Amino acid sequence: EPEVTQTPSHQVTQMGQEVILRCVPISNHLYFYWYRQILGQKVEFLVSFYNNEISEKSEIFDDQFSVERPDGSNFTLKIRSTKLEDSAMYFCAIQGSQDTQYFGPGTRLTVL
Amino acid sequence: GESVGLHLPTLSVQEGDNSIINCAYSNSASDYFIWYKQESGKGPQFIIDIRSNMDKRQGQRVTVLLNKTVKHLSLQIAATQPGDSAVYFCAENFGLGKLIFGQGTTLQVKP
Repeated sequence: EPEVTQTPSHQVTQMGQEVILRCVPISNHLYFYWYRQILGQKVEFLVSFYNNEISEKSEIFDDQFSVERPDGSNFTLKIRSTKLEDSAMYFCAIQGSQDTQYFGPGTRLTVL
Repeated sequence: GESVGLHLPTLSVQEGDNSIINCAYSNSASDYFIWYKQESGKGPQFIIDIRSNMDKRQGQRVTVLLNKTVKHLSLQIAATQPGDSAVYFCAENFGLGKLIFGQGTTLQVKP
């Protein structure tokens, strides 16, 4: 099973501030995904990223969100101006064999 | 619309018994389904998957059943152990890697 690490494990920020969440796969992958999970709720798809381009995004992924691979290995999710409702767990996932997605441990984002 | 649901929010079983967790999906065109286990404070952990050209797939102590006629998916866990206590999610692949998750079922294993 492919390994994924995420940093930071917990991010506290003030409303309106920018945050960058990072995902580091242990080995090379082409497909990356971001999901979020509001406390006590289901996991929600945000965006899929293939070959350095967004291939699919949800309604949640508005203009305040962006993704990139700045150095060819890290995969980042940026929220430009955080809102209270952005507080959630954010999970990065990578695609292994057979279309299976493997999730990282997540970053807990708290917006005050 | 996009909807994957679970029939029960909480399932409580005795250690050693078999557990069955159910899931209903709405998109009849979906061709790939996955079960994930999520322990408190952790990310979803892959358990088992199944494609629409199959109706049953077995893993270690787990079996997934797919009934395309009624758009129903189930996860069976044999000889449930305390370590199986977690929230279980079914997920449906909508294409281009977009997974749609159900609400989750909390499995509680009583010693």
